[in-house]
Amino acid sequence: AQSVTQLGSHVSVSEGALVLLRCNYSSSVPPYLFWYVQYPNQGLQLLLKYTSAATLVKGINGFEAEFKKSETSFHLTKPSAHMSDAAEYFCAVRAGGNKLVFGAGTILRVKS
Amino acid sequence: NAGVTQTPKFQVLKTGQSMTLQCAQDMNHEYMSWYRQDPGMGLRLIHYSVGAGITDQGEVPNGYNVSRSTTEDFPLRLLSAAPSQTSVYFCASQDYSYEQYFGPGTRLTVT
Repeated sequence: AQSVTQLGSHVSVSEGALVLLRCNYSSSVPPYLFWYVQYPNQGLQLLLKYTSAATLVKGINGFEAEFKKSETSFHLTKPSAHMSDAAEYFCAVRAGGNKLVFGAGTILRVKS
Repeated sequence: NAGVTQTPKFQVLKTGQSMTLQCAQDMNHEYMSWYRQDPGMGLRLIHYSVGAGITDQGEVPNGYNVSRSTTEDFPLRLLSAAPSQTSVYFCASQDYSYEQYFGPGTRLTVT
């Protein structure tokens, strides 16, 4: 069965520091992988997606993620955190059929 | 394009009451789904539909019904509300690349 593990339910970084949010997945079908961001009291918004093209995927707001098949990972990074990056981040993987399976989420806190 | 719309934004129900959460999309997507979001549990799939007239159960379907009479609309019905159904509910539609587009959510409290 497909599953997603996000390591760390809460991550805290200083403004200007590197952001690293970890995601590991298991999938028995060719993986399509996604990162979504959720700002307080809003719906989920796509940050970036991997669909079997380039392994390094660039998204909105300066975020990027690298697909590593050997490590079954799709970690999200941003070189320099901004206060506006404070949000909850969800990793998701295509499951069987058309479904997506979501991780439990990581809340990112950015300290000034 | 409005994308995915949901109504209402907020709702308070008493135990045993029923209600329908509305969801509509204008992107002509065949696949639509309903999730509930609870703290620390991510999004859990309630029901989904792969096209008009076709629905199926997700991970947590008990206490909920859905129907899909048109491509655009995918309402979620709570048959007899229970406090355990207090949650935030999201509707989403999906394109051919499996990217899902989410509505703004409905925050439901059952007392």
